[in-house]
This record gives sequence, C-alpha cells and structure tokens, in this order.
Amino acid sequence: DTEVTQTPKHLVMGMTNKKSLKCEQHMGHRAMYWYKQKAKKPPELMFVYSYEKLSINESVPSRFSPECPNSSLLNLHLHALQPEDSALYLCASSHSGMGNYEQYFGPGTRLTVT
Amino acid sequence: SQQGEEDPQALSIQEGENATMNCSYKTSINNLQWYRQNSGRGLVHLILIRSNEREKHSGRLRVTLDTSKKSSSLLITASRAADTASYFCATDGSGGANSKLTFGKGITLSVRP
Repeated sequence: DTEVTQTPKHLVMGMTNKKSLKCEQHMGHRAMYWYKQKAKKPPELMFVYSYEKLSINESVPSRFSPECPNSSLLNLHLHALQPEDSALYLCASSHSGMGNYEQYFGPGTRLTVT
Repeated sequence: SQQGEEDPQALSIQEGENATMNCSYKTSINNLQWYRQNSGRGLVHLILIRSNEREKHSGRLRVTLDTSKKSSSLLITASRAADTASYFCATDGSGGANSKLTFGKGITLSVRP
C-alpha cells in the first residue's frame, strides 16, 4: 500500500472555528510532513515529524498545531485561522526524516477560511 | 529560501514531442528530485538522482544532473496529453539528519492533443 490518505478533501471554516486535518499512511514510513500550497506556488514546508517527534517547525503561527498520535497518523489542528490561510494542505511521508528519500504525498485538503 | 529554480516557467508542446525542463540550484546537495502535480492534487514523485550520478532513466523520463553547474534537466520523451501537469524539482541542501526538501517554483507543461 503506497497511499497517503487525507481527510477531509475540502473544508470551509470560519475564523472562530476549530477543525482538524487528518493524514494516514501504512507504508511503515517514520517521517511525516505538512505542507501548505497556495495557487500556482510550490509547496511550503510547515512541520516535519521524525519517529513521532516534531523535528522541524518552519516558524508556523501557533494557530496551526500538529500532532502525531502514532507512526501512521498525523493531524493538523486549526484554530482562529485567517482568510490568508486558505490553501491546499498536503501531507507527505517518507522512509525517514532525511531528504535522501522520496516523499509520498496525499491528495491534499482544500481549505477555505471565511 | 528557495533552492531550485525551474526553467522555463511554462511550456506548451504537441503530443508526441519531447519536453525538456531545467532546474538550477544554489548550494551543495545530496540529491535532487523531480515531482509532478496534476491540477489541485498531491505531488507524485518521478525520480531521484544522487549527487554522484549524472544521468538516470525511468520509462519515458530522463534526468541529468551537473553538479559543477548546479543544474538538472528533466526530459519527457514522446509526450502525451496525460503529461499535462506542473513539474517541480526539489533539493535536499546536503543538510544533516533533518535535511528537508526545498521545492522550486515549478514548470507548467501543457501537451496539446
């Protein structure tokens, strides 16, 4: 199984809402990533979990809160977002946290903040 | 900071023609990767080439790497309409255990049937 799944596919939320994005992989990968992608731009790294520990936080605002409950699951908790946070949020996984391995991406969650 | 820079920004070709996309980067790397993204979807890994490799093939894809010029090219031969997508190069920056991928701005490829 070489699939990374993400739910939901689409999410519309108000600025006062709290919601969560979910990501799952069953490839035995020990590194998982959250990226944010705006239209016609490359993905921007937000967080890296390596062996279930947060190893990289790219100075992401605290209204984004990642969580890695186990080696297969990755969540991104959202609270008090701004309209400029509207984007495609991509989850990815790889064999380890090093850049030496290809990353497998999920289909993304299209987030709209109203 | 963005590492890879693709060229051209957009490419439009006829089905059956070859498509060549270039990527330049600034610092030393351990490897360079190419990814494809269909509109609004997740990225798909195409090929990884290590810094000690000069050329790699995968099906209709051919990737070259010139570390002296800090550049790579992706050649798609006999293109198909289904190859229409955005293509990104990504470099790892030769960091340590936490080296991350940094993506270039991307190239939009349109293959006309």
